[in-house]
Amino acid sequence: QQQVKQSPQSLIVQKGGISIINCAYENTAFDYFPWYQQFPGKGPALLIAIRPDVSEKKEGRFTISFNKSAKQFSLHIMDSQPGDSATYFCAASRDTGNQFYFGTGTSLTVIP
Amino acid sequence: GAVVSQHPSWVICKSGTSVKIECRSLDFQATTMFWYRQFPKQSLMLMATSNEGSKATYEQGVEKDKFLINHASLTLSTLTVTSAHPEDSSFYICSLGQFDGYTFGSGTRLTVV
Repeated sequence: QQQVKQSPQSLIVQKGGISIINCAYENTAFDYFPWYQQFPGKGPALLIAIRPDVSEKKEGRFTISFNKSAKQFSLHIMDSQPGDSATYFCAASRDTGNQFYFGTGTSLTVIP
Repeated sequence: GAVVSQHPSWVICKSGTSVKIECRSLDFQATTMFWYRQFPKQSLMLMATSNEGSKATYEQGVEKDKFLINHASLTLSTLTVTSAHPEDSSFYICSLGQFDGYTFGSGTRLTVV
């Protein structure tokens, strides 16, 4: 059973546009929601994370929007750049040190 | 955040041989490390949780006799793929959990020929 559902599977965005990736979860015990960026042949790198006590978190061009009642969260990449082309994974856990449940990933391509 | 060093970054081995992958936490004492497997264009699949000084906890469907995990110290966990077969070819990634979330190693591309 997929604990975290992610969409879309792939996304193509023009340079300067907004990239939006969505995730949904079922387990209300989850209290930590990170996003990871992965380039080919590399391990995932933490991009930004949020806890359920806030509805939005912004770091530079990256924003997480969190809807606790809907059990959904999304990643917004503003002013998307070709260098943002990568695979993005959302995840959820009950605690930062415990098992993470990953989404299926979104392959983002930003075209010049 | 913590720095995780994973070695080797890629390895090619013959079918039937064993391969050891190391995961080192360079600046953090990790009582727990996690081992993932990732197929091309797919998500990370948790294989096992490595616990320092005790047996690893394997996920359902993961053969513990095939994927040997040793976590002998707070800074080193190893994954040994025993009697490797072509179907074991994959990208293996270790990680450790810490206050600001998982820190992942750079991964090991295993190709069994």
